[in-house]
Amino acid sequence: QKEVEQDPGPLSVPEGAIVSLNCTYSNSAFQYFMWYRQYSRKGPELLMYTYSSGNKEDGRFTAQVDKSSKYISLFIRDSQPSDSATYLCAMSYNAGNMLTFGGGTRLMVKP
Amino acid sequence: DVKVTQSSRYLVKRTGEKVFLECVQDMDHENMFWYRQDPGLGLRLIYFSYDVKMKEKGDIPEGYSVSREKKERFSLILESASTNQTSMYLCASSPAGEGNTEAFFGQGTRLTVV
Repeated sequence: QKEVEQDPGPLSVPEGAIVSLNCTYSNSAFQYFMWYRQYSRKGPELLMYTYSSGNKEDGRFTAQVDKSSKYISLFIRDSQPSDSATYLCAMSYNAGNMLTFGGGTRLMVKP
Repeated sequence: DVKVTQSSRYLVKRTGEKVFLECVQDMDHENMFWYRQDPGLGLRLIYFSYDVKMKEKGDIPEGYSVSREKKERFSLILESASTNQTSMYLCASSPAGEGNTEAFFGQGTRLTVV
């Protein structure tokens, strides 16, 4: 069993839809949780970062962490075609910055 | 603007060749990483380095070695390339420090071993 599980998709939604992306993990020692966005033929770039449990909002993006369920989510409101990318969840134990990644979910937002 | 630069976007090498992948960062970061990315498997850590001349094995170090002689440069070496090392290779760097976990990635090198 992988440490971090993520549905690979692809997930196809119409423009304007609310998108929900999720990851589950097995190791309760993870403290830092991140979402990276990766466009085709590019390296991943950090989208959202959360420490421990709770919610964090940044514009159209909301990240949620539920440590009791070992479950994290990324919500995208009013999705745009420019949001079409692969979304990778990542997590780490400490400030040592060793990240463990999920497999990524490919999102397609259709105009 | 922060930058992590990988020397090649695409490489084609023959089985058994020694392959060098180079990565340079201009942000004075202490930490540098090499990942490989394969469909459905996400990013898997090969090696990382916390400081010059320091290296630690990641999850899949077999068949790879690394070199960090200068703070800004981290090289990945495939001692004898094999077809199962065909993959996308991503270099990343991040600053040291409590709570600061943003890793900045390069554009990736797509390596094909034939």
